[in-house]
Amino acid sequence: GENVEQHPSTLSVQEGDSAVIKCTYSDSASNYFPWYKQELGKRPQLIIDIRSNVGEKKDQRIAVTLNKTAKHFSLHITETQPEDSAVYFCAAPWGLLTGGGNKLTFGTGTQLKVEL
Amino acid sequence: GAGVSQSPSNKVTEKGKDVELRCDPISGHTALYWYRQSLGQGLEFLIYFQGNSAPDKSGLPSDRFSAERTGGSVSTLTIQRTQQEDSAVYLCASSLVSNVDEQYFGPGTRLTVT
Repeated sequence: GENVEQHPSTLSVQEGDSAVIKCTYSDSASNYFPWYKQELGKRPQLIIDIRSNVGEKKDQRIAVTLNKTAKHFSLHITETQPEDSAVYFCAAPWGLLTGGGNKLTFGTGTQLKVEL
Repeated sequence: GAGVSQSPSNKVTEKGKDVELRCDPISGHTALYWYRQSLGQGLEFLIYFQGNSAPDKSGLPSDRFSAERTGGSVSTLTIQRTQQEDSAVYLCASSLVSNVDEQYFGPGTRLTVT
């Protein structure tokens, strides 16, 4: 199955600084890479996703980059604010070619803390 | 329209009892997923449904866990003879067609086995 590794597990930045979270995946057939944000006690919510036909996607202060050759993708948050503090999860699908699955494998999460 | 809903929001049960957790997906979403999230941990895939079929049950931790979906809508996750290690938040998600569509998560059911 897909192996998704996420780093770092915790990240502390000063307000206004940038934050970068990185993930690697193993299934070369993976073609969809979402990022979810989970605030304490709340449900995960999609913040941005990227498909394999593009290398970068941006939405205001959030961007995701994808390197299919190296099989890694990253979340970039610029001008961080206290409300960005949360756990962020990356994910990748697997089994697309074998038909063995229709599910996402999630990374282990990154606890981002934005300090004033 | 309404998002994904789950019930109950909290469930405390004694070890050895059976529990049923319910998920109401977004209307029209054909794909439905169950995940388990232990305290401070990531999302552990349990099972997914495409319509009423569950092509992949490989994530279910043991044969005490089962799930069904009827009418292409509501799903129930059943845990028999609960154990303390079953304590976790059980999250349900739905997506329009497949796992390459955005998954919308429900609020989860916090299960505590005493």
